[in-house]
Amino acid sequence: GQQVMQIPQYQHVQEGEDFTTYCNSSTTLSNIQWYKQRPGGHPVFLIQLVKSGEVKKQKRLTFQFGEAKKNSSLHITATQTTDVGTYFCAGPPRAGGTSYGKLTFGQGTILTVHP
Amino acid sequence: EAQVTQNPRYLITVTGKKLTVTCSQNMNHEYMSWYRQDPGLGLRQIYYSMNVEVTDKGDVPEGYKVSRKEKRNFPLILESPSPNQTSLYFCASSTSGRASEQFFGPGTRLTVL
Repeated sequence: GQQVMQIPQYQHVQEGEDFTTYCNSSTTLSNIQWYKQRPGGHPVFLIQLVKSGEVKKQKRLTFQFGEAKKNSSLHITATQTTDVGTYFCAGPPRAGGTSYGKLTFGQGTILTVHP
Repeated sequence: EAQVTQNPRYLITVTGKKLTVTCSQNMNHEYMSWYRQDPGLGLRQIYYSMNVEVTDKGDVPEGYKVSRKEKRNFPLILESPSPNQTSLYFCASSTSGRASEQFFGPGTRLTVL
């Protein structure tokens, strides 16, 4: 079945440093979704990328979707303590097949920011 | 307020005692799903439902059952819980299936002794 790998598993940074997490799928994706989970909270949707090579920005966050639609990255510039949490990617496979409702998440990257 | 609710939020139970975790959404979403979250393993999908009376297995369905008799509700049933089902459970819903934004409930922390 489809596998979605996310690296690194943990990232500790000093406030002000940059942070990047990478997401790689074993199959071509129809889109990539990114979520953030604050400590003790639930995952909250950040963004969705659909097009090959797409790049989207949300303030200090930059999201990229690979040309082959099998990988993605989230980059945070100049981290702040409010960025602390776990970042997940999720990628539904390209349409087709029998598991039309399955959604696979990556293992997540836990980000800690030291002030 | 648009939301997904889960009950209970916390539950400690014993092996073999049947339990149900309820999930309800007020957004008229057709797609609903259940996930479990374990350290190092991320979110793993247990079951999903494309619509009323339409359910299917996710990646880790063993030991769980679901039903979808109404559009708004999607309960998760553990008929004979075991300690390896100790986990944090999330219900989620979306308007357009797996290819769109998932709205998550607040989570249910389950401990099976």
